[in-house]
Amino acid sequence: DTGVSQDPRHKITKRGQNVTFRCDPISEHNRLYWYRQTLGQGPEFLTYFQNEAQLEKSRLLSDRFSAERPKGSFSTLEIQRTEQGDSAMYLCASSPRTSGSLYEQFFGPGTRLTVL
Amino acid sequence: AQTVTQSQPEMSVQEAETVTLSCTYDTSESNYYLFWYKQPPSRQMILVIRQEAYKQQNATENRFSVNFQKAAKSFSLKISDSQLGDTAMYFCAFIPQGGSEKLVFGKGTKLTVNP
Repeated sequence: DTGVSQDPRHKITKRGQNVTFRCDPISEHNRLYWYRQTLGQGPEFLTYFQNEAQLEKSRLLSDRFSAERPKGSFSTLEIQRTEQGDSAMYLCASSPRTSGSLYEQFFGPGTRLTVL
Repeated sequence: AQTVTQSQPEMSVQEAETVTLSCTYDTSESNYYLFWYKQPPSRQMILVIRQEAYKQQNATENRFSVNFQKAAKSFSLKISDSQLGDTAMYFCAFIPQGGSEKLVFGKGTKLTVNP
């Protein structure tokens, strides 16, 4: 068990470009979550998947954001036409949601996005 | 809507001393879970301690313990025998049992342990 991994760790892009981030959850965790964390703030929920189904999306997730989790394994988060306000740390978390997990979510190291 | 408030943006403590971080929350739910997460500088967030709302007994994990006051909707974290490695951002978080699965976080408290 190597934990939740995210790629890339850092991304610098120009305004208007598209970016895609990848998250690999802990194997056999059926829940996968995306959060966004801006400087000086706690993480804010974006969306989550149970297996391949996207079950909840925050209103923070504008039409420029899309997330997928094909085959219920890794997930991708794409931001189209990036804006400077998209600059943030994007965190991925996974959870087994078994009766013993007590709703704990395990976090990855995050992808830091800087939009110039 | 659930909210989590951490009223101490920054705190500092001397090594080996005890420090308490405050957290209050607002919810209409009766069953939920509360967490304290630690985010060291440039490192990933890890769970420090969790509390089930239906349990009256306060959770403890080694040097970390909580004071859970359900009626007051308060959930403070006490760190005993503080160590340099405890230096980090600490986030209080809430999740209801059933329904939405999103964690709701406070803004965090930056804790510095001084030698």
